[in-house]
Amino acid sequence: QVLLLQSGAEVKKPGASVRVSCKTSGYSFTTYYIQWVRQAPGQGLEWMGWINPTSGGTKFAQKFQGRVTVTRDTSINTAYMDLSGLKFDDTAIYYCARRGASYAFDSWGQGTLVTVSS
Amino acid sequence: QSALTQPPSAPGSPGQSVTISCAGTSSDIGFYNYVSWYQHHPGKAPKLLIYEVSQRPSGVPDRFSGSKSGNTASLTVSGLQADDEADYYCSSYFGSNNWVFGTGTKLTVL
Repeated sequence: QVLLLQSGAEVKKPGASVRVSCKTSGYSFTTYYIQWVRQAPGQGLEWMGWINPTSGGTKFAQKFQGRVTVTRDTSINTAYMDLSGLKFDDTAIYYCARRGASYAFDSWGQGTLVTVSS
Repeated sequence: QSALTQPPSAPGSPGQSVTISCAGTSSDIGFYNYVSWYQHHPGKAPKLLIYEVSQRPSGVPDRFSGSKSGNTASLTVSGLQADDEADYYCSSYFGSNNWVFGTGTKLTVL
C-alpha cells in the first residue's frame, strides 16, 4: 500500500521559514517524482513543483522560485519542502503527492497546515 | 501559466448525471493528452479519478468518465450519489515538467 505521511501543522511568523516532510512507504521511493501542491483557505489547488528522488533535481512554478527548496533523503524515503520568507498569504494546506507512471498524481499525503500569523 | 477555468458550482440530483468542464489553451489541454481529474473532500487528501483524459485508476467506479474536445476537458459523474458531493479539480501537463490545476468546482447533490 502506497502511503505518504506528512509532518504536523506549523505556525510561523512572517519572514520565517517552514519545513514540511513527506515520508513515503509501500513503493520504491526513487522510481517516482514527488510533487508539492498547496491550497490556501477558500482557494483551489496550486501546483508548486517537484523533486526527482533519484537525482535530487527540482523544478518549481515561477511564483515560488527563489523561496522554495525541496530535498530528499533516500535512506529514509522522505522528501522535504522548505519555504522561506513566509507571508500571510502562504497560509495554506501543503500536500505532497506521487507522480505515478502517467502524468498524474496518484497518491497524496494527508496535508500539512501551515499558518503564518504575527 | 494561468489556472484552468472550471465552473464554480455544479448541482445535480441523486441518480442524475453532471458534467464539469475545464477550459484551457492550445498550450496545455489542447496540446497534451495529460488531463487528470481529482476529487477532494474537505479535510481529506485529493483522490485521482481520471488520468490521461479518460483513463480510470483501478478502484474508481465507471460512473466517473472523462473526455476532451479541443482546449476543453470534461468530467461526467453519472448516477449521482450523496458521497459524490465534493470539490473537483482538473489538471493538465503543459510541457517541460510543468503542471497546472483548474479553479475547482463544487459538486452539490441536491
